[in-house]
Amino acid sequence: KAGVTQTPRYLIKTRGQQVTLSCSPISGHRSVSWYQQTPGQGLQFLFEYFSETQRNKGNFPGRFSGRQFSNSRSEMNVSTLELGDSALYLCASTGTSGRETQYFGPGTRLLVL
Amino acid sequence: GENVEQHPSTLSVQEGDSAVIKCTYSDSASNYFPWYKQELGKRPQLIIDIRSNVGEKKDQRIAVTLNKTAKHFSLHITETQPEDSAVYFCAASIKTGTASKLTFGTGTRLQVTL
Repeated sequence: KAGVTQTPRYLIKTRGQQVTLSCSPISGHRSVSWYQQTPGQGLQFLFEYFSETQRNKGNFPGRFSGRQFSNSRSEMNVSTLELGDSALYLCASTGTSGRETQYFGPGTRLLVL
Repeated sequence: GENVEQHPSTLSVQEGDSAVIKCTYSDSASNYFPWYKQELGKRPQLIIDIRSNVGEKKDQRIAVTLNKTAKHFSLHITETQPEDSAVYFCAASIKTGTASKLTFGTGTRLQVTL
């Protein structure tokens, strides 16, 4: 099976702009989770989607939002970008066999100038 | 919410030596504990995981132990090799129904020197 894919891989934006990141899970996986990775904060959970519904949410401001489509692909949106939003954004997909193993995509590196 | 602490933040060992990374978690309801390895510029990759009904699990040179009473779990790498150099993350998860959420430790940078 193909792994988790994310697009774009790199992105440069300026403060105040908005950005949309995309994640395609492993075929058959219905759960997609998003994480922000920064050198200082490590991997922080943003949210999880399952069957187009947000099931879990981390402690991020409302500028961070997401959605999931019927084919399980997920998008994450960040509005009114701030310098501190510069990070590697990782998504991970999980199967529905009852196991919790999350498989990560390569990430989107976002730089906010 | 769950809080995971990981130590040490950096670890340097000589090739062939063992490496141990320790994590503690706060929520006794956590029931799944994976370990991820992230090489420079790459995605985190699952290397081993353990569930709360098991005390120890081994896969070749890698082993994980879990002490539910003390709420800590550890990663043990034996006979380290240069390719083991990476950042290692522990995580804890509470599964409620079909939903689960991973809380990660802050990572350990392991350097294996020749």
